[in-house]
Amino acid sequence: ETGVTQSPTHLIKTRGQQVTLRCSSQSGHNTVSWYQQALGQGPQFIFQYYREEENGRGNFPPRFSGLQFPNYSSELNVNALELDDSALYLCASSLEATGPRGATQYFGPGTRLTVL
Amino acid sequence: DAKTTQPTSMDCAEGRAANLPCNHSTISGNEYVYWYRQIHSQGPQYIIHGLKNNETNEMASLIITEDRKSSTLILPHATLRDTAVYYCIVREKTDSWGKFQFGAGTQVVVTP
Repeated sequence: ETGVTQSPTHLIKTRGQQVTLRCSSQSGHNTVSWYQQALGQGPQFIFQYYREEENGRGNFPPRFSGLQFPNYSSELNVNALELDDSALYLCASSLEATGPRGATQYFGPGTRLTVL
Repeated sequence: DAKTTQPTSMDCAEGRAANLPCNHSTISGNEYVYWYRQIHSQGPQYIIHGLKNNETNEMASLIITEDRKSSTLILPHATLRDTAVYYCIVREKTDSWGKFQFGAGTQVVVTP
C-alpha cells in the first residue's frame, strides 16, 4: 500500500508568481485535505476535497484554490504569491470525509515553498 | 472544535515511559481525542485516537479521564526516534468535513 505522496519536495518562487503543488492520496482514500504550516507553528487547515468537490475551507483567501481528480489525487494552486506564503504545505488523505472512516487523516511529507 | 492545552516542551530519558498530558476541559460528548506527532520537517504522523475508553496500539496508549476533560499519551519505552512535536487535537465525531485544528503541540526530546 502506497502512502500519501507530494511533489515537488522543495520549490522556490518569487513574489507575484503562481505555484501548483501536487498530492497523491493513499490507496483507497477519496478525501484530501490541505494544510499550511509556517515555521514553528502547527498546521493550519486550508481546504478539503471529497469526490472532486470542495468540502470545506479554512480562513484562506480565494487565491488559494484546489482541484481533485477522478483518481482522487489533488492539486493546490496559489496565485499572486506573497512572502508570507512561505511554508510547508501538507496534504492529508482519509477514507471518507466524515464519520469514523473519515476521522483519521494520513499526511504526506509536505512541499517546502519559499517565496522570495 | 474544543481547544486543547499542552506543555510547551518535555524531556524524557531513552528507555523510560513518556507521559504527555493534554487538557481539553471544554470537550463535548461527541468529540474524539486525537494524537499526532511530527518529526522535524516531516508530515504529521497519526498515533492514536479515542472517545472515552482507554486505547492502546503498537505505538502508544491513550488514557482519557472519566470526565473526559484531560488525557495522557503514553509512549511506553521512549527511543531517540520518538523526539518530535506531539499534537493533541479534539474533533467532532460527526464532523461534516475533515478539519483538524492543530495547536502548538509539545516538543518532546528523548535523551540518551
